[in-house]
Amino acid sequence: KAGVTQTPRYLIKTRGQQVTLSCSPISGHRSVSWYQQTPGQGLQFLFEYFSETQRNKGNFPGRFSGRQFSNSRSEMNVSTLELGDSALYLCASSLEDEKLFFGSGTQLSVL
Amino acid sequence: KQEVTQIPAALSVPEGENLVLNCSFTDSAIYNLQWFRQDPGKGLTSLLLIQSSQREQTSGRLNASLDKSSGRSTLYIAASQPGDSATYLCAVRLGTGGFKTIFGAGTRLFVKA
Repeated sequence: KAGVTQTPRYLIKTRGQQVTLSCSPISGHRSVSWYQQTPGQGLQFLFEYFSETQRNKGNFPGRFSGRQFSNSRSEMNVSTLELGDSALYLCASSLEDEKLFFGSGTQLSVL
Repeated sequence: KQEVTQIPAALSVPEGENLVLNCSFTDSAIYNLQWFRQDPGKGLTSLLLIQSSQREQTSGRLNASLDKSSGRSTLYIAASQPGDSATYLCAVRLGTGGFKTIFGAGTRLFVKA
């Protein structure tokens, strides 16, 4: 069974641009969650989706948004990028509320 | 607000030593607790998952315990090896309806050969 796939692996953007990150969960997993990881703040919860519905959202500005499609694939979007958005963005999938399986992440650098 | 704390922040031990990593959380109304390992620049690998009704889980040289009443979990690593060097993260899943997972800052472990 294929694991969680995140694309792209690396991304370089400039301030003010927007970015879309993609996450394909493990086949059969309907829950997808997103996290931001930085050296200073650690891993912080962004949002969680289940069957195309957002179940919860972390304490991030409205520039951060996401969605989930009918095939459980998920995307997150960050608009009007700021330098502080530079981070490793991680996606995880799970069966209901069970074990989380993580992708390798997308390393975003904002210049 | 649920907060997760991990102690120590960093640990360096000689190969072969048994060690304990600690995780504490402020709200005992959790659904489950999971321990992860993260290698530099990589994603997280799940090590052990303990449901709220369980007291411990074991996998190979790893044993994780959970005490909800005191808000604590420990990860015990037996006979440590250099390949165990990584950052270990504890994560709590909020109780029913929470749909949110909160992570600790992690313990960076270095096992010297």
